[in-house]
Amino acid sequence: EIVMTQTPLSSPVTLGQPASFSCRSSQNLVHSDGNTYLSWLHQRPGQPPRLLIYKISNRWSGVPDRFSGSGAGTDFTLKISRVEAEDVGVYYCMQATQFPWTFGQGTKVEIK
Amino acid sequence: EVQLLESGGDLVQPGGSLRLSCAASGFTFSRYTMNWVRQAPGKGLDWVSTISDRGNGANTHYADSVKGRFTISRDDSESTLYLQMNSLRAEDTAVYYCVSRLAHHFDYWGQGALVTVSS
Repeated sequence: EIVMTQTPLSSPVTLGQPASFSCRSSQNLVHSDGNTYLSWLHQRPGQPPRLLIYKISNRWSGVPDRFSGSGAGTDFTLKISRVEAEDVGVYYCMQATQFPWTFGQGTKVEIK
Repeated sequence: EVQLLESGGDLVQPGGSLRLSCAASGFTFSRYTMNWVRQAPGKGLDWVSTISDRGNGANTHYADSVKGRFTISRDDSESTLYLQMNSLRAEDTAVYYCVSRLAHHFDYWGQGALVTVSS
């Protein structure tokens, strides 16, 4: 099983300032088809998660361009260029390269 | 508009059974892989099961924690996804989300159905 490790687990952020979250996988996430199925999801309190980023760096429909993803192999990063109030909640990375699909523990984001 | 609506969540005793349903609309259900993901109270996300579309053999995959107890299935004529849960345990208590893979893994989520396993 591929273990996904996120850091930090909690991140107080300042409105208007950048923020960055890390995700590391225990194995290389490159699939045999050449894609890397690393996604980021965001869950606001009381809401279901929603997809933000797929295949490392591609923003899903309707996701603001202040969100960006990067990385390769086993190390990945989600960045928010300027944090807004609606960005609070928990951010999860997940891999769908190899079954069982696995999620990181989540990074909880709160406004300072 | 893609919609996924779960139903069937309930309070059930340990050892009992429950079947969750997910009614899909807004897309051609039969063409796509579908998933169940759960979230225990106050905890993170936990993948449960996946079923591919019939064109890809309707292959199924399960997390080790539910293998042999849970069964995922689909009725393409009704655009409905199911999760049959048997031999339920306290640790199965969670909100269960129905999640699609239309363009990308986990792109659309339902609102979830709460399953509580307790005596």
